[in-house]
Amino acid sequence: GENVEQHPSTLSVQEGDSAVIKCTYSDSASNYFPWYKQELGKRPQLIIDIRSNVGEKKDQRIAVTLNKTAKHFSLHITETQPEDSAVYFCAASMSSGGYNKLIFGAGTRLAVHP
Amino acid sequence: NAGVTQTPKFQVLKTGQSMTLQCAQDMNHNSMYWYRQDPGMGLRLIYYSASEGTTDKGEVPNGYNVSRLNKREFSLRLESAAPSQTSVYFCASRQGGEKLFFGSGTQLSVL
Repeated sequence: GENVEQHPSTLSVQEGDSAVIKCTYSDSASNYFPWYKQELGKRPQLIIDIRSNVGEKKDQRIAVTLNKTAKHFSLHITETQPEDSAVYFCAASMSSGGYNKLIFGAGTRLAVHP
Repeated sequence: NAGVTQTPKFQVLKTGQSMTLQCAQDMNHNSMYWYRQDPGMGLRLIYYSASEGTTDKGEVPNGYNVSRLNKREFSLRLESAAPSQTSVYFCASRQGGEKLFFGSGTQLSVL
């Protein structure tokens, strides 16, 4: 079926270290892969996204890589800061009957310790 | 622009009661979605509406109904609430394959 698997479920790093979160998806037709950050009690907010015609995208300390052959994509956060602590969700677009929907991974709780 | 507006923010129901969660967007988006969020399970799609007049089931539609009232509004109804429906509900909207915008969420408890 349609699913997105995300690992790890929790991640603890020291401030300044890098953090990597990985996702795999099932639908080979998926062509849009966003990452969302959710702080406690808040709504998810888009932090970066990538489309299937691109292998890597960077935005300051955040980067996303995509391997379409292996059907996996990853979020990389460098020089982590305490304010990066949050739950991160990956998602993949999936088509059904000509319509497009986003399926999310289960989330990764990132803790950055000073 | 208010973006995506959800009401209510909090609700407590007794088992068997019914209620409707309201959602409206002012961004002229075609597609609207309802997700539920449970600890350790991420955001699971309940129903979505690709355009006005159409609705489709997502990953976990059982126990829910939806109405796409017009282009702006997409409501989620629980006909007979069960404790398993205790969750945080998010409405979202997007245009085509672009960024998904979320509402602020509804925290629902079913006792």
